[in-house]
Amino acid sequence: ETGVTQTPRHLVMGMTNKKSLKCEQHLGHNAMYWYKQSAKKPLELMFVYNFKEQTENNSVPSRFSPECPNSSHLFLHLHTLQPEDSALYLCASSQDNSPLHFGNGTRLTVT
Amino acid sequence: GQQVMQIPQYQHVQEGEDFTTYCNSSTTLSNIQWYKQRPGGHPVFLIQLVKSGEVKKQKRLTFQFGEAKKNSSLHITATQTTDVGTYFCAKTSGGSYIPTFGRGTSLIVHP
Repeated sequence: ETGVTQTPRHLVMGMTNKKSLKCEQHLGHNAMYWYKQSAKKPLELMFVYNFKEQTENNSVPSRFSPECPNSSHLFLHLHTLQPEDSALYLCASSQDNSPLHFGNGTRLTVT
Repeated sequence: GQQVMQIPQYQHVQEGEDFTTYCNSSTTLSNIQWYKQRPGGHPVFLIQLVKSGEVKKQKRLTFQFGEAKKNSSLHITATQTTDVGTYFCAKTSGGSYIPTFGRGTSLIVHP
């Protein structure tokens, strides 16, 4: 059972919609991550937050906007997405340099 | 950061056969982590290797870290259908604690 919870599990949205992905970790970790997983591509790091401060933005388009209100919650706000943004979005957490704990992911389809 | 190269991309085996996936880097690594992702699931941490030449075992799984800390392997003895999934290596290096993932090796086990 994962200590990282992501909602929703599935999301279908049009290119003009605005939606948000939510992640919550119950492990007391200090770092949270967003990864994108597409078919035939490796896991792509999008954003990293450490103690609520964004420490990494991996050249992600501005149509993806992260928010980390506290060390347990992480959001990914989506607007005017493209069909190529359809993917599995994975949230993860870690404590310092310990391995990552992933959530179940949100399967996003942009129509 | 620079990716790790993981081979093969896919491997079909008959149940009971052995399986090995390799992870290679052109730079010296701080550590290497291995994750498994079942079909439809999320990556789950298996093990972390830190020391040069380190070998660790988990039941039928054997993990090795090269002497030069530039490559690693995962070997599964006598595969079972429960071993099906994609195995990812992830590296950290250069003082960064953020893992960079390989493309993964998808293992298909035929009963």
